[in-house]
Amino acid sequence: LAKTTQPISMDSYEGQEVNITCSHNNIATNDYITWYQQFPSQGPRFIIQGYKTKVTNEVASLFIPADRKSSTLSLPRVSLSDTAVYYCLVVMGASNTGKLIFGQGTTLQVKP
Amino acid sequence: GAVVSQHPSRVICKSGTSVKIECRSLDFQATTMFWYRQFPKQSLMLMATSNEGSKATYEQGVEKDKFLINHASLTLSTLTVTSAHPEDSSFYICSALAGENNEQFFGPGTRLTVL
Repeated sequence: LAKTTQPISMDSYEGQEVNITCSHNNIATNDYITWYQQFPSQGPRFIIQGYKTKVTNEVASLFIPADRKSSTLSLPRVSLSDTAVYYCLVVMGASNTGKLIFGQGTTLQVKP
Repeated sequence: GAVVSQHPSRVICKSGTSVKIECRSLDFQATTMFWYRQFPKQSLMLMATSNEGSKATYEQGVEKDKFLINHASLTLSTLTVTSAHPEDSSFYICSALAGENNEQFFGPGTRLTVL
């Protein structure tokens, strides 16, 4: 499984757009990029998943360049309730065993 | 999305006792579930893969005789922490694979405190 690297922490203010970048230099051809959100004392919650280019859902966008060695999670107009830890993971595609290896994550602190 | 529950949500026990944590898939069947452990201010660490009807697969460094996993049905996996000690105090989270894309859904976690 490809190792991921992301900033340990980020600060933002309410209403701003937040972009969290993750590096995954050893990503394999069949791997997907997946992001999870975790609040204190709760299990992680799926945010978004993508393979290439751009994916958008109701809560976030995921930008993946052509070489797929990095990805950026974009949270539009964050609020205080977006304060959480965000994990970037690389998930095997074709032979998906389901095993997820979590990195350190990015602690996002949204300030009023 | 699919719902995964855990019981209990928190448990306090004395050192030397055993504690069982249940993980249930509420609206789907899960042949594969996972158990994670998370210490304060740290990331989730995968402990084992729980397979329905067969033995669990443990990650390196996780004692299989201490962390007993049973996956007797398609909706229930249990993790038993045997002879718990204070260093076993942690947040235990389970997850289950669901859907044709094998999405992973997480339970709410169980806070174990060993006195």
